[in-house]
Amino acid sequence: NAGVTQTPKFQVLKTGQSMTLQCAQDMNHEYMSWYRQDPGMGLRLIHYSVGAGITDQGEVPNGYNVSRSTTEDFPLRLLSAAPSQTSVYFCASSYNTRGEQYFGPGTRLTVT
Amino acid sequence: AQKVTQAQTEISVVEKEDVTLDCVYETRDTTYYLFWYKQPPSGELVFLIRRNSFDEQNEISGRYSWNFQKSTSSFNFTITASQVVDSAVYFCALSKGGGSQGNLIFGKGTKLSVKP
Repeated sequence: NAGVTQTPKFQVLKTGQSMTLQCAQDMNHEYMSWYRQDPGMGLRLIHYSVGAGITDQGEVPNGYNVSRSTTEDFPLRLLSAAPSQTSVYFCASSYNTRGEQYFGPGTRLTVT
Repeated sequence: AQKVTQAQTEISVVEKEDVTLDCVYETRDTTYYLFWYKQPPSGELVFLIRRNSFDEQNEISGRYSWNFQKSTSSFNFTITASQVVDSAVYFCALSKGGGSQGNLIFGKGTKLSVKP
């Protein structure tokens, strides 16, 4: 099993550009989520999904969209990048909402 | 509201010392789950332990041990005989664990530096 994979590992965007961060898992996990990590802030939840076709907002959803068309994939879309979205983004998955979450390696995004 | 507090921002110890990382949580739920994650300098997040609110037994795994006390809303993590490889940021996290409430609330982390 590859576990949770994320692409790209690094990305630089200009303000106003859009892009999609990819996340995939091969563990047949129902629950997937996106977090951002900023210095001194811990990790904060952006969006999550409890199964294919079901998504909901987390603590900091503004400026991001998600969709879940398959169990395996959970892409995160930045609609119009802003410098405040400079961060490290982690995707996570778990078998259910009571289990431990397994994290991908992260995507380091810089918006100039 | 749920909240996780890790009051120790940074800790520095010398190899072979024991070190305890504190975690205090707030929740009104009777059912909840507590977690510890390790983030080494390479940046990945590594799951260490999960504990549910009905299980107050302490746990030991090699040099790692966890002390869960509902009376003080604490879930502290002790590393015995620390090693340089233990240098990392450690996060404590809390979740309700039911339905769409499984999202993790993280503390801000404690950076542990173990010097040789």
